[in-house]
Amino acid sequence: AQKITQTQPGMFVQEKEAVTLDCTYDTSDQSYGLFWYKQPSSGEMIFLIYQGSYDEQNATEGRYSLNFQKARKSANLVISASQLGDSAMYFCAMREGLTGANNLFFGTGTRLTVIP
Amino acid sequence: ETGVTQTPRHLVMGMTNKKSLKCEQHLGHNAMYWYKQSAKKPLELMFVYSLEERVENNSVPSRFSPECPNSSHLFLHLHTLQPEDSALYLCASSPGRLREGLETQYFGPGTRLLVL
Repeated sequence: AQKITQTQPGMFVQEKEAVTLDCTYDTSDQSYGLFWYKQPSSGEMIFLIYQGSYDEQNATEGRYSLNFQKARKSANLVISASQLGDSAMYFCAMREGLTGANNLFFGTGTRLTVIP
Repeated sequence: ETGVTQTPRHLVMGMTNKKSLKCEQHLGHNAMYWYKQSAKKPLELMFVYSLEERVENNSVPSRFSPECPNSSHLFLHLHTLQPEDSALYLCASSPGRLREGLETQYFGPGTRLLVL
């Protein structure tokens, strides 16, 4: 079974508007971490935001926030005030366990296009 | 300076060639990773090194051979590849320390490989 599911292959948003990218995850571990990465056309994976399974507050990093709903096993990324430079692929990822080197499980990604 | 660098950025090789991909991290991390990103598939973990020891080999064919001479450098040696091995190969590093919440993986720009 897929550990990370991103159901939106593509999303469009008007510049300066907010957008939510969906992510659901599947794990039986109590300790896990959730990540969002941005991949522009250049190929580099850029780390955006992290949420630990024990974190009670939703993570925020500038214009990025993670809407963490543990009971629903969802970790949606919210981008506020979209900019043209936000157009890219966005990947949700999860690691099981919180310590040491470990695998990241990635979703298939959502391509976000910001319209001027 | 970019934290994780990869060379070459683009590579075209025939099925009988031998080539190597190089990754270098300048972040003082202890863990390094190779991932394969094929079109329309989630990123696939290939290898994990922690403190220069291979801790995971994710059922990768033997035509891919990793080498980690020290904690800052990671190589992927390629020989007798197949056309289906054409993909973006991403290197990543993480602290590898035993502390919760610090295991964010930072990625390099990737090597786009085309096997003819």
